[in-house]
Amino acid sequence: EDKVVQSPLSLVVHEGDTVTLNCSYEVTNFRSLLWYKQEKKAPTFLFMLTSSGIEKKSGRLSSILDKKELFSILNITATQTGDSAVYLCAVGKDDKIIFGKGTRLHILP
Amino acid sequence: GAVVSQHPSWVICKSGTSVKIECRSLDFQATTMFWYRQFPKQSLMLMATSNEGSKATYEQGVEKDKFLINHASLTLSTLTVTSAHPEDSSFYICSASELGGIYGYTFGSGTRLTVV
Repeated sequence: EDKVVQSPLSLVVHEGDTVTLNCSYEVTNFRSLLWYKQEKKAPTFLFMLTSSGIEKKSGRLSSILDKKELFSILNITATQTGDSAVYLCAVGKDDKIIFGKGTRLHILP
Repeated sequence: GAVVSQHPSWVICKSGTSVKIECRSLDFQATTMFWYRQFPKQSLMLMATSNEGSKATYEQGVEKDKFLINHASLTLSTLTVTSAHPEDSSFYICSASELGGIYGYTFGSGTRLTVV
């Protein structure tokens, strides 16, 4: 059975800290790994990763994929209160996307 | 970039009535659309996948007669919750993909359904 497992499920840190969110997966017909940020409404796209070892960056956020070990990490440096959200990891298969349960991140001012 | 419009944003209906939710791709042709539901503090659960012009593929445990999906054009898919019950209250989100694109990475803004 396909599964996407995120850890930790929740995380509370102080503003300015760096956080690392984890995502491991066991999925057949892997096409891509995706990260989303979800605040109050629908998820917003952060990254799509298809190749191992190539870091993708967007401002203070970065992500990398290891297709051999079947995991990805999402790093957020110099966190801000606006980073508080649920971060969803998803794996795109040939015909659907499977989501993990998300990591609920709360940044304390 | 790709934009997906979903409406209504929220709807309240009485038990036993039907509710229709629309999902439109505004600037691309969506060959595939996905419908998800999300309960509070839980992840997105895929309900069904619809391809333009063909019947939707439902995930295990999703009643196809209750959640009617129509994808009649390349820019519009609809989800109709028939004979709604309070347990159908949830957040419903669609996403759309264009042929050759990344599957389902453009989401609508979601619809919060409350059945009273």
